[in-house]
Amino acid sequence: NAGVTQTPKFRILKIGQSMTLQCTQDMNHNYMYWYRQDPGMGLKLIYYSVGAGITDKGEVPNGYNVSRSTTEDFPLRLELAAPSQTSVYFCASSYSSFEQYFGPGTRLTVT
Amino acid sequence: GDSVTQMEGPVTLSEEAFLTINCTYTATGYPSLFWYVQYPGEGLQLLLKATKADDKGSNKGFEATYRKETTSFHLEKGSVQVSDSAVYFCALSERTGTASKLTFGTGTRLQVTL
Repeated sequence: NAGVTQTPKFRILKIGQSMTLQCTQDMNHNYMYWYRQDPGMGLKLIYYSVGAGITDKGEVPNGYNVSRSTTEDFPLRLELAAPSQTSVYFCASSYSSFEQYFGPGTRLTVT
Repeated sequence: GDSVTQMEGPVTLSEEAFLTINCTYTATGYPSLFWYVQYPGEGLQLLLKATKADDKGSNKGFEATYRKETTSFHLEKGSVQVSDSAVYFCALSERTGTASKLTFGTGTRLQVTL
């Protein structure tokens, strides 16, 4: 199993540009999550999904959108990038609702 | 709301030293508690967990005991190695509706030297 994979690994965006961060898991997990990690801070939950077609907001959803059309994929969309969105983004998935498995992260810089 | 407080780092130790990283939490219900580890350039990996009071989680020589009376989940290891150098995150999870969400501490960087 590849586990949780994320693409791209790195990206630089200009202010106002849009992009989609991809996340795929091959463990048939129902639950999937997006977090951001700012320097010196813990992870903050952006959005989560409990199954295909079902998504909900986390702690810091503003400026982001998600969709979950399949069990495997959970892309995160940034519509109008802002410098405040410079961060490292982690996708995670879980079978039970407690133990989460994380991807390697996407480092995003908005300038 | 729920919160997790960890000791600030970095923690610098010599190889074979004893490690303690303190973690305390605030939660309204009965959370599960976790320690995650993040090696340089990688995502988080689950290190150990405990789901109820007095449970002890253990893995790779690390241990932590769920203490409800002191709302703590301190991470310990008797003899650290250079390969243990990483950032350690304490986290809790409470079930909310149909899913549970992790609340993380700010992380503690451990540096182990020869």
